[in-house]
Amino acid sequence: NAGVTQTPKFRVLKTGQSMTLLCAQDMNHEYMYWYRQDPGMGLRLIHYSVGEGTTAKGEVPDGYNVSRLKKQNFLLGLESAAPSQTSVYFCASRLNSGVGEQFFGPGTRLTVL
Amino acid sequence: AQKVTQAQTEISVVEKEDVTLDCVYETRDTTYYLFWYKQPPSGELVFLIRRNSFDEQNEISGRYSWNFQKSTSSFNFTITASQVVDSAVYFCALSEVHMRDNYGQNFVFGPGTRLSVLP
Repeated sequence: NAGVTQTPKFRVLKTGQSMTLLCAQDMNHEYMYWYRQDPGMGLRLIHYSVGEGTTAKGEVPDGYNVSRLKKQNFLLGLESAAPSQTSVYFCASRLNSGVGEQFFGPGTRLTVL
Repeated sequence: AQKVTQAQTEISVVEKEDVTLDCVYETRDTTYYLFWYKQPPSGELVFLIRRNSFDEQNEISGRYSWNFQKSTSSFNFTITASQVVDSAVYFCALSEVHMRDNYGQNFVFGPGTRLSVLP
């Protein structure tokens, strides 16, 4: 039981390049989330999904897109990376809305030059 | 809207001292859950505790204890006899239960408190 995994762990991009971050969970959770963590700013929600085939915007969605084609996977895409997107990205999953805690992946450190 | 405040940005203590991390929350719901997470220097986020709004009993787990007071909307975390391994960023979080327009966003984190325990 791997929990929540993220691929890749590190990535360096040049401005304008695109990439996709993959989050996978094996706990059959309905809810999945993408956060970014910047120094002094805590965790900010980018996008989230409340089930397969659904996605919604969070607090800071601009410059990102997401897809949830399979229940266990939640993809975060950067179409044209900018230096402001340099951050640590965390994926999380949760059984459903309400009582449960979020389970986090190990994070992806992204640098955009 | 729901909100979590952790007024202490950084705290430094010497090993074996007791330390309390403050968490104050805002919610319109009567049913909600509160959480604490730990983020050690290695970067992962570790779940510590969950508390529901109807249970105001304090909880103790080893050197960790939590004090939940609805009257002051606070959910404070105390580490007794701190150790260097306790050095981390600690996040308090709030989850409302009732569905709202953006119910998927009903999990809100505070900004975190960085705890440094010096040997």
